[in-house]
Amino acid sequence: DAGVIQSPRHEVTEMGQEVTLRCKPISGHNSLFWYRQTMMRGLELLIYFNNNVPIDDSGMPEDRFSAKMPNASFSTLKIQPSEPRDSAVYFCASSFGRENEKLFFGSGTQLSVL
Amino acid sequence: QKEVEQNSGPLSVPEGAIASLNCTYSDRGSQSFFWYRQYSGKSPELIMFIYSNGDKEDGRFTAQLNKASQYVSLLIRDSQPSDSATYLCALRRTGFQKLVFGTGTRLLVSP
Repeated sequence: DAGVIQSPRHEVTEMGQEVTLRCKPISGHNSLFWYRQTMMRGLELLIYFNNNVPIDDSGMPEDRFSAKMPNASFSTLKIQPSEPRDSAVYFCASSFGRENEKLFFGSGTQLSVL
Repeated sequence: QKEVEQNSGPLSVPEGAIASLNCTYSDRGSQSFFWYRQYSGKSPELIMFIYSNGDKEDGRFTAQLNKASQYVSLLIRDSQPSDSATYLCALRRTGFQKLVFGTGTRLLVSP
C-alpha cells in the first residue's frame, strides 16, 4: 500500500487566496483525521471523519476552514480566505477506527501564507 | 492547564544511555496513551501504546503508565544517535476516537 497520500507537499500563497489541501487515506481505513502542526501549539486536531461523516470539528479554527470527505478515498481541507497565521504543516492521518488502532500519517503539506 | 504536558527539551543523552521521556495529563477520563516519534521534517510514527497501569516493553522501548498520578513515560534503553527525534505523547479519552497530542520532547543522542 502507498500509505496516506497528501498533496501538495508545499504550498506558498498570498493572504486572501483560497487554499485546498488533499488527502487520500489508506484503502480500507474508515477514519480520517486532519491535524495542524506548529512549533508553538504542536499537533492540533482540526476535524475527523468516521465512515465519511464528520464526527468532531471542534478544532476547526473558524469559518474560514472547511473540510469534506465525499467518499472513502478522498478528503479536502479548504481555507478561504487564507491568512499568515494559517502557516503550518497540515497532516492527514487515517486508521481502521478500532480502539487503540494506530494512526497512519501522510507526509504533510507545508503551507506558507505570505 | 494543557491536556497533555511534555517538557520541550532538548533532552541530551550519550549513546548507550537510558533516555527517559515524561508526559503528564489532566483528564482522568483518558483511557489509552501513545508514544509517537517524529524525525525533523517527517510525519509522526507510532512507537507503542499502553492502556493498563504498569510497564509495557517492546525491544529497547518501555512505556510506563501510572493513572493515579496521571503520568506516562517512555524509556529508551541503549540510546542510539538514530533515536534523535521529537517524541510525542498522545492520549485517547474513553468513548472518543480522536488522539490529543502533547507538543513533544526533543531527544538528542550524542555519539
